[in-house]
Amino acid sequence: DVKVTQSSRYLVKRTGEKVFLECVQDMDHENMFWYRQDPGLGLRLIYFSYDVKMKEKGDIPEGYSVSREKKERFSLILESASTNQTSMYLCASSSRTGTNEKLFFGSGTQLSVL
Amino acid sequence: GESVGLHLPTLSVQEGDNSIINCAYSNSASDYFIWYKQESGKGPQFIIDIRSNMDKRQGQRVTVLLNKTVKHLSLQIAATQPGDSAVYFCAESFYNTDKLIFGTGTRLQVFP
Repeated sequence: DVKVTQSSRYLVKRTGEKVFLECVQDMDHENMFWYRQDPGLGLRLIYFSYDVKMKEKGDIPEGYSVSREKKERFSLILESASTNQTSMYLCASSSRTGTNEKLFFGSGTQLSVL
Repeated sequence: GESVGLHLPTLSVQEGDNSIINCAYSNSASDYFIWYKQESGKGPQFIIDIRSNMDKRQGQRVTVLLNKTVKHLSLQIAATQPGDSAVYFCAESFYNTDKLIFGTGTRLQVFP
């Protein structure tokens, strides 16, 4: 069974802290994505990666960075957490087949910044 | 621009009835469309997808219809069950970008 695993289900951090959200997939997928989900706004793309060491900005990259040192792992970094980054964060992966393919999602990390 | 809306549209149906969830997509160049189901406390789960060279695709109890003329996508669920209660998202992708652009979602409530 395919799996995208996010390391934490719930996180509580303080304003100004550096926060790491980790995601691992076991499907040997080339593509990995970070979305945030807020009530009524749907899923918004933060960053994505097509391959190891590669990263691309999504629609709302401000205040975030990412790291992809290994194919299976994609980390989202909040350099200095702020209260407006309180949200549900969803990691996803997909294969790169030359045509668009469906994303597989993790269960999400609910981050609260106090 | 970013849509603003704190309240999801909600569709309430009786168990056993058919459900139709609609979605308007934004880009006429989009060539891949997908529906996800998200239950409370879980990540989105794939339901069904369709490419722009088709106008209909069927799965188990679900059918997706694509009308490219009016940029409209719909998900039909036959014989809706309580386990179908969830938020449903449509998403589009274009130019083989591998990125999905999501709609804001529709909540489906199934009552006995």
